[in-house]
Amino acid sequence: NAGVTQTPKFQVLKTGQSMTLQCAQDMNHEYMSWYRQDPGMGLRLIHYSVGAGITDQGEVPNGYNVSRSTTEDFPLRLLSAAPSQTSVYFCASSSKGQGQAFFGQGTRLTVV
Amino acid sequence: GENVEQHPSTLSVQEGDSAVIKCTYSDSASNYFPWYKQELGKGPQLIIDIRSNVGEKKDQRIAVTLNKTAKHFSLHITETQPEDSAVYFCAASRRGGADGLTFGKGTHLIIQP
Repeated sequence: NAGVTQTPKFQVLKTGQSMTLQCAQDMNHEYMSWYRQDPGMGLRLIHYSVGAGITDQGEVPNGYNVSRSTTEDFPLRLLSAAPSQTSVYFCASSSKGQGQAFFGQGTRLTVV
Repeated sequence: GENVEQHPSTLSVQEGDSAVIKCTYSDSASNYFPWYKQELGKGPQLIIDIRSNVGEKKDQRIAVTLNKTAKHFSLHITETQPEDSAVYFCAASRRGGADGLTFGKGTHLIIQP
């Protein structure tokens, strides 16, 4: 049982480059979300989804896009990377009615 | 939107003593309050959660209390052990987690031998 899988684990980008952070879950969870974690800031919500085809913005959505074409996958796209997007990114999923969110191991992104 | 404040930012206790971490939230509509433990290099892991229709919940050495009137909730760890050393986060949500979680900034718990 893999749970929530994030790829890649580490990534270095140049300013202005684009990339997609992948997130997949095998628990058939309805809810998925993306967070970024910066030192001293805790985790902040970027985007979330309550089901396939439905996404919404969180606290810090600027510079990021998401889509949810299947229940299993919830990719996060950086359109034009900026140094301010250097962070650790976590994907999470949870089941409707259960509440408990399961987190992936994170992607450490550095933008130079 | 929701705002969650967490205190203290660092807590050092002797092994075997108790540890208490406190959080306050701003949105009276929040109804789900989980606590997460994060070890270095790993994703957060749920250790206990509580819903707004319950005042207290306990799981072995860990307990959480919720005061809806004052809008604060606390994590209590008794008989602390070295493996309890980690960063702990509280969080809140309006829709049981459906719309994501608002996290506190974390408490670094250090268990002194």
